[in-house]
Amino acid sequence: IVLTQSPGTLSLSPGERATLSCRASRTVTNNYLAWYQQQPGQAPRLLIYGASTRATGIPDRFSGSGSGTDFTLTISRLEPEDFAVYYCQYHGSSPLNFGGGTKVEIK
Amino acid sequence: EVQLAQSGAEVKKPGESLRISCKGSGYSFTSYWINWVRQMPGKGLEWMGRIDPSDSYTNYSPSFQGHVTISTDKSTSTAYLQWSSLNASDTAIYYCARHALTDSLGGDCWGQGTLVTVSS
Repeated sequence: IVLTQSPGTLSLSPGERATLSCRASRTVTNNYLAWYQQQPGQAPRLLIYGASTRATGIPDRFSGSGSGTDFTLTISRLEPEDFAVYYCQYHGSSPLNFGGGTKVEIK
Repeated sequence: EVQLAQSGAEVKKPGESLRISCKGSGYSFTSYWINWVRQMPGKGLEWMGRIDPSDSYTNYSPSFQGHVTISTDKSTSTAYLQWSSLNASDTAIYYCARHALTDSLGGDCWGQGTLVTVSS
């Protein structure tokens, strides 16, 4: 499964809503689609798995939706610490490919 | 506390061999896949492969098959990523991450990363 993320860069202000897209080249089995956040110099952090389930400790301003081939990560109101790079990943059977990433930057 | 602790940064010359490690603690090591992920300088995440520590079954990305070897020692809860002959394009940060064997949970714990620099 090839994952294509869009846009490449999203320029927004704190408090705004962010909508990130991840499109799969074919149907994602069991909706096994994860989202990660990566801050500069840090390892990625799991935000969402199974397309819509928040990982432990993730604030509820992060939500995942979608099924089949089209998935969305929404950040309802951007906090300063949310400006980072976000990746989607298929977490089912091998290969567990990542999307190319979306950078959310401060406008 | 669930943790994956990776070995330290390495500086190697082209053609040299290398093995880096990822030690799990705070959970049942044989109940989770260990995945390896590459991040080249300024680039995105690339899935390299994974191992089931209970039986050493492995999957590799076609992009990395034949160039790296993933192994594990379940007696020490440690997974390894090794190269027999490095080249400059292997310069990157390498992360390990655990995934449930059921595939249902995503990478919920990551190591801190190991920087590998290959330069003559």
